[in-house]
Amino acid sequence: DTGVSQNPRHKITKRGQNVTFRCDPISEHNRLYWYRQTLGQGPEFLTYFQNEAQLEKSRLLSDRFSAERPKGSFSTLEIQRTEQGDSAMYLCASSRKKTSGRDTQYFGPGTRLTVL
Amino acid sequence: GQQLNQSPQSMFIQEGEDVSMNCTSSSIFNTWLWYKQDPGEGPVLLIALYKAGELTSNGRLTAQFGITRKDSFLNISASIPSDVGIYFCAGQLPNLYSGGGADGLTFGKGTHLIIQP
Repeated sequence: DTGVSQNPRHKITKRGQNVTFRCDPISEHNRLYWYRQTLGQGPEFLTYFQNEAQLEKSRLLSDRFSAERPKGSFSTLEIQRTEQGDSAMYLCASSRKKTSGRDTQYFGPGTRLTVL
Repeated sequence: GQQLNQSPQSMFIQEGEDVSMNCTSSSIFNTWLWYKQDPGEGPVLLIALYKAGELTSNGRLTAQFGITRKDSFLNISASIPSDVGIYFCAGQLPNLYSGGGADGLTFGKGTHLIIQP
């Protein structure tokens, strides 16, 4: 399997600008997750999709954060009007829930965002 | 939100030594996972545990899903330099507790493993 890929790997932006990150999941994985990781912490769950449906978005950090998965394949995470506190690693994971209920998430390499 | 207590925070060991780390929670999880993360990279899955009491090995790594479903441990035997990194435990709540479908993982803060040659 080709693993989860994320682009760009690094993004530097000025405060107030909008940024968009892309995630391509493992092929045939129907679930896709977004996490944020700040320095010294474990990843923090933000949102997830099953196919094109966004089934959980209450954990998104503010209304400046939004995610889409229009065709049930790749996904984008957008942050509007970035703030310095948004600086973090943004991780994407994908999985395929099996009939047994097992649902193992595999992570991409992440996008490192720096807001100046 | 849910919290996972992972310990120790860091470990300084000699090459060849065995390593043990653990995670505990006040909540029941139906899946426990262990990941390793290198600087600037995403977490890499090491071991997945799906049943209480399950003991699973992956090479020199062994992990167990606690009987109470509130804890898990990871052991690494005969450590080598490439074992250096940050190890995270992660738990997934049963759907009953996930507020309508939030299957996101809850992570510990990580154990930083440093190996002295």
